[in-house]
Amino acid sequence: SAVISQKPSRDICQRGTSLTIQCQVDSQVTMMFWYRQQPGQSLTLIATANQGSEATYESGFVIDKFPISRPNLTFSTLTVSNMSPEDSSIYLCSVSLGSNQPQHFGDGTRLSIL
Amino acid sequence: SQKIEQNSEALNIQEGKTATLTCNYTNYSPAYLQWYRQDPGRGPVFLLLIRENEKEKRKERLKVTFDTTLKQSLFHITASQPADSATYLCALDAFYNQGGKLIFGQGTELSVKP
Repeated sequence: SAVISQKPSRDICQRGTSLTIQCQVDSQVTMMFWYRQQPGQSLTLIATANQGSEATYESGFVIDKFPISRPNLTFSTLTVSNMSPEDSSIYLCSVSLGSNQPQHFGDGTRLSIL
Repeated sequence: SQKIEQNSEALNIQEGKTATLTCNYTNYSPAYLQWYRQDPGRGPVFLLLIRENEKEKRKERLKVTFDTTLKQSLFHITASQPADSATYLCALDAFYNQGGKLIFGQGTELSVKP
């Protein structure tokens, strides 16, 4: 399995600002994903972070709002741009070693927007 | 579109009893199904994966069944302990065995009383 570290673990931000969340993996992985988990809800996939190319976004999520970088096979960032209170959520990254393999998650970034 | 439903209400059981959690899905035939455990403030942790051609999978006190005719998976914890209290999520592959993307159910909160 892989060990995933996310930073920051939590933050409180002002409306209109942006925050970049980092995800570091202890080994090279092909598949990396970003999820959002709103209070009391399940996980919703935001995008698949592709190494060396643009991320693949799910319906309802756009690059301008959630730009993602994946410079190598062990690291990715998710930026939440122009934040509003509706963006208050937990953001999680996960990795998988293959299409029929389990996903391993970081502990998430708990984000509150004032 | 794919839809996943888990026991919507929290499940409260007595220590030592068997907990049974349900995951139903519609409009899809997944290649595999996964179960995760999530504790408050933590990311989901993988428990078991069962493939479409497998009826049952076991791991220590955990058992998962997969009925592709009924479009249902059951997750059992035998001899339950208070430490088993958590939210349990089922997840299906979003595209038949490709891409590694998962769709998660909303989770069932399990509480095991001593």
